[in-house]
Amino acid sequence: EADIYQTPRYLVIGTGKKITLECSQTMGHDKMYWYQQDPGMELHLIHYSYGVNSTEKGDLSSESTVSRIRTEHFPLTLESARPSHTSQYLCASSDLGRGSSYNEQFFGPGTRLTVL
Amino acid sequence: SQQGEEDPQALSIQEGENATMNCSYKTSINNLQWYRQNSGRGLVHLILIRSNEREKHSGRLRVTLDTSKKSSSLLITASRAADTASYFCATDGPYGNNRLAFGKGNQVVVIP
Repeated sequence: EADIYQTPRYLVIGTGKKITLECSQTMGHDKMYWYQQDPGMELHLIHYSYGVNSTEKGDLSSESTVSRIRTEHFPLTLESARPSHTSQYLCASSDLGRGSSYNEQFFGPGTRLTVL
Repeated sequence: SQQGEEDPQALSIQEGENATMNCSYKTSINNLQWYRQNSGRGLVHLILIRSNEREKHSGRLRVTLDTSKKSSSLLITASRAADTASYFCATDGPYGNNRLAFGKGNQVVVIP
């Protein structure tokens, strides 16, 4: 099992609520990612970070925001949740060694979000 | 946009049989990776094959890569019930710099 953690694992919340999904890794990885995945479907990258104070939007437009104040922590926030945000959110991290193109990603267990 | 496309999408086999799934991609790559996802869980890295490699083995897994056809296959030999999962290929080609493009995934059900 990878040393990457997500909380909560499951969240059911009403429309309009502000939520923060937590992601932490203890591997010292510089690079972290957030993916959105609907059941049985592919992963869509919504945010990524190459290090502290670095955040970028991914391929899928998302109303969420992220921050990277510490290497090990990459929380995702939704200011006002809507039913269209119902999905599974997966956090991942990776470490690219110098001179290597190897980029295996380590995934957390995911947060399954349901917005009523 | 996702460039990995797995084929077939769903596979049901008996325990002990081999399972083969394919993936195609569109752009040049540095490497191609396969991941497994058990229901409701995160992905687990299985194997990586570099663009200058044609075949790689890891335990009961065999991966091939044909860069001329922009395709890869994953073979699981002597399947077990615990192999029941979704399998995704991912490439770094479209982006580089550690970003991956994941395909749609193959759902494999191994019947005991």
